[in-house]
Amino acid sequence: AQTVTQSQPEMSVQEAETVTLSCTYDTSENNYYLFWYKQPPSRQMILVIRQEAYKQQNATENRFSVNFQKAAKSFSLKISDSQLGDTAMYFCAFMTEGGSEKLVFGKGTKLTVNP
Amino acid sequence: DAGITQSPRHKVTETGTPVTLRCHQTENHRYMYWYRQDPGHGLRLIHYSYGVKDTDKGEVSDGYSVSRSKTEDFLLTLESATSSQTSVYFCAISETSGIRARQYFGPGTRLTVT
Repeated sequence: AQTVTQSQPEMSVQEAETVTLSCTYDTSENNYYLFWYKQPPSRQMILVIRQEAYKQQNATENRFSVNFQKAAKSFSLKISDSQLGDTAMYFCAFMTEGGSEKLVFGKGTKLTVNP
Repeated sequence: DAGITQSPRHKVTETGTPVTLRCHQTENHRYMYWYRQDPGHGLRLIHYSYGVKDTDKGEVSDGYSVSRSKTEDFLLTLESATSSQTSVYFCAISETSGIRARQYFGPGTRLTVT
């Protein structure tokens, strides 16, 4: 069974600074997808970024980028130029290719951006 | 945003009563999912559907049943609600696998069982 571990329950960062959220996963599959979801106080789950395991290039979406280390089974999220609106819970998630697209989530990291 | 609605958005019910939550999509996506979210646990899969009348269990399916009689609707039923089922419930939908693989989430339903 796949598992996803987020070892940082809470983190804080000053506005405009950079922060990295950690995520590790365990799987025996070779083809899969990894995601970071953001959940602000509104409770809406928002997809931040996704990575296909077969792609060596790290995904980027504006201020958000990932460091994907397949051999180490690590998938960290870097937020650059942090903004107050980045304050949220962040969930790392794993999806096996061709497995009914089920997501396995980590327990989340609560990020607070301070002014 | 994907067209996903959940109803009701909030519900308070008593222990032992049946409860049905509804998820409705306008995207014609094949896959639909029910998750629950609890502090310290993240989101956990309850049941999912891979087509009309095709459903399967997830990680925390005990005490829950589902039905999908139409592509657009996926119902989650608590036959006899218990306090341990107090949670926030999310519905999600997904297209087929491959390069477009991702899930879109509904707004959530907060259920309180007293």
